Amino acid sequence: KAGVTQTPRYLIKTRGQQVTLSCSPISGHRSVSWYQQTPGQGLQFLFEYFSETQRNKGNFPGRFSGRQFSNSRSEMNVSTLELGDSALYLCATRPGLAGETQYFGPGTRLLVL
Amino acid sequence: AQKVTQAQTEISVVEKEDVTLDCVYETRDTTYYLFWYKQPPSGELVFLIRRNSFDEQNEISGRYSWNFQKSTSSFNFTITASQVVDSAVYFCALSPPSGNTPLVFGKGTRLSVIA
Repeated sequence: KAGVTQTPRYLIKTRGQQVTLSCSPISGHRSVSWYQQTPGQGLQFLFEYFSETQRNKGNFPGRFSGRQFSNSRSEMNVSTLELGDSALYLCATRPGLAGETQYFGPGTRLLVL
Repeated sequence: AQKVTQAQTEISVVEKEDVTLDCVYETRDTTYYLFWYKQPPSGELVFLIRRNSFDEQNEISGRYSWNFQKSTSSFNFTITASQVVDSAVYFCALSPPSGNTPLVFGKGTRLSVIA
């Protein structure tokens, strides 16, 4: 089975721009979660989607948004980028919801200049 | 509220030494799941183990072993005869058995194994 894939792997943007990151889950996985990882804040939960519905949302500003498509692929968007948005963005998928193992993708490293 | 504490921020050991990474959790649920993940320098979190709260048997997988003690709310991870390739950040995580609550991660322990 193919693992979780994320595109792009690396991205450089400037302040004020917007960015869209993509995550393709393992076949059969319907839940997709997004995390932001920075050296100072560690792993922080952004949101989780299941069957195209947002099930959970972390404590992030409205500039961070996401969606999930009928094939379970998910995208997250960050608008009006700030320097502090520079981070590793990780996507994790699992078959259903709580209790099941989440499998992570390789991440997208975003640098905001 | 659920919480995971990994008190060891960084650990450094010499190759072939044994090392134990501590994980202490808090939850009011009687049923829950515990996880360990490894994050090598490449960045991807690699799943290591999932343990149900009803299963207190220790588990061994090669050089890795896990000690689950419900009485002390701990789920510690031991690497025997450490190798340089074990150098990574290790995360412990907690999840309820159902519902919409996301995984709760500890802040991670950075392990450096020196040759």
